[in-house]
Amino acid sequence: EAQVTQNPRYLITVTGKKLTVTCSQNMNHEYMSWYRQDPGLGLRQIYYSMNVEVTDKGDVPEGYKVSRKEKRNFPLILESPSPNQTSLYFCASSLGGRSTEAFFGQGTRLTVV
Amino acid sequence: GNSVTQMEGPVTLSEEAFLTINCTYTATGYPSLFWYVQYPGEGLQLLLKATKADDKGSNKGFEATYRKETTSFHLEKGSVQVSDSAVYFCALRMSGGSNYKLTFGKGTLLTVNP
Repeated sequence: EAQVTQNPRYLITVTGKKLTVTCSQNMNHEYMSWYRQDPGLGLRQIYYSMNVEVTDKGDVPEGYKVSRKEKRNFPLILESPSPNQTSLYFCASSLGGRSTEAFFGQGTRLTVV
Repeated sequence: GNSVTQMEGPVTLSEEAFLTINCTYTATGYPSLFWYVQYPGEGLQLLLKATKADDKGSNKGFEATYRKETTSFHLEKGSVQVSDSAVYFCALRMSGGSNYKLTFGKGTLLTVNP
């Protein structure tokens, strides 16, 4: 089954404690990205990757890091989380191109206290 | 920059009612247009798409037509069901260099009552 898998689904952490949210896809997609979803703001792109070792900033990259060492995995790293990073996070993957369908993970609800 | 504006709702309908969710966009170029749906506790999934002017996307009884002249992509369904209760997102996608970013509207919460 084609899918994007994120872990964990829920996470509560304290300010400043480094965390990683994992994302893996089994569709051999070259394009992957991270979004955060906030009430009244919709989804905003954090980072994206066109292929292995190729990553770049999206619209709201501050406070986040990513890596793409393998094609299937695209982890999101918060080195020093802060309360304003409390949000619902989605990983997405697709083939490149403007008309292709993006597949989304089930989301990670992060709370930073 | 590119943007999507959709009616924010919430929208509450009775079963079998007609649904319209308005969506308009601003883009420098020629985007593809999408409607994604998010059921409670789940990720987004593609509902339908259109990639050029006058294309009609359809799926599960939902339809939307790409109107370049009015820069719109309104979602319609003739008879909604309780199972259609979800958040609906209009989105556009363009090729901006290497970033095939989806630009989303803020979402519309639809509740369908029996």
